[in-house]
Amino acid sequence: DIVMSQSPDSLAVSLGERATINCRSSRSVLASSNNKNFLSWFQQKPGQPPKLLISRASTRESGVPDRFSGSGSGTDFTLTISSLQAEDVAVYYCQQYYGAPITFGQGTRLEIK
Amino acid sequence: EVQLVESGGDLVQPGGSLRLSCAASGFTYSNLWLHWVRQAPGKGLEWVANIKFDGSEKYYVDSVRGRFTISRDSSKDLLSLQMNSLRVEDTAVYYCVRGSGWIFDHWGQGIRVTVSS
Repeated sequence: DIVMSQSPDSLAVSLGERATINCRSSRSVLASSNNKNFLSWFQQKPGQPPKLLISRASTRESGVPDRFSGSGSGTDFTLTISSLQAEDVAVYYCQQYYGAPITFGQGTRLEIK
Repeated sequence: EVQLVESGGDLVQPGGSLRLSCAASGFTYSNLWLHWVRQAPGKGLEWVANIKFDGSEKYYVDSVRGRFTISRDSSKDLLSLQMNSLRVEDTAVYYCVRGSGWIFDHWGQGIRVTVSS
């Protein structure tokens, strides 16, 4: 199984400042067939289902604000929120879908400082 | 509009069975996958199982293989998860998820399953 590890577990950032969440996979999730990274990022607010923010490591979903960006390749990935807004308070998860079982990171709780 | 509505959650004793359903609408199934993902109280996300749009492929996480069965009724646009030999550790909110391939692009609101004596 591919193990996903996120850091930090929790993060407090001031409004308007940058937030960075890291994700590492135990094996590469880069597919040689199409040179795509099989890595997604999700946002989950209290009492709500997760919401897909980014797939293929860096492709932002339609409607997701452009302050959210994803980067990285192979085994190391980053989710960046360029200017934190109050509505960004949530738990963020990375996920690999390179192979079964599909696995998630443990989550990073993002709060306002 | 894509809609996924789960039902069937309940309180069940350890060793019991439960069948979850997910009514899907607003999309056609071609080249899609459907998944179940669960979240134990206060915990993270765990993928449980998935099924290809035509039912030709299914995968399970090790902890449920042999106890849970995922299936799809194409005539009713219904996804199901038959859960047998339930354990306390199966207690969770279960989400029905549509996958564009294995990209989880739409989630249901979730249904609670509690396994307790």
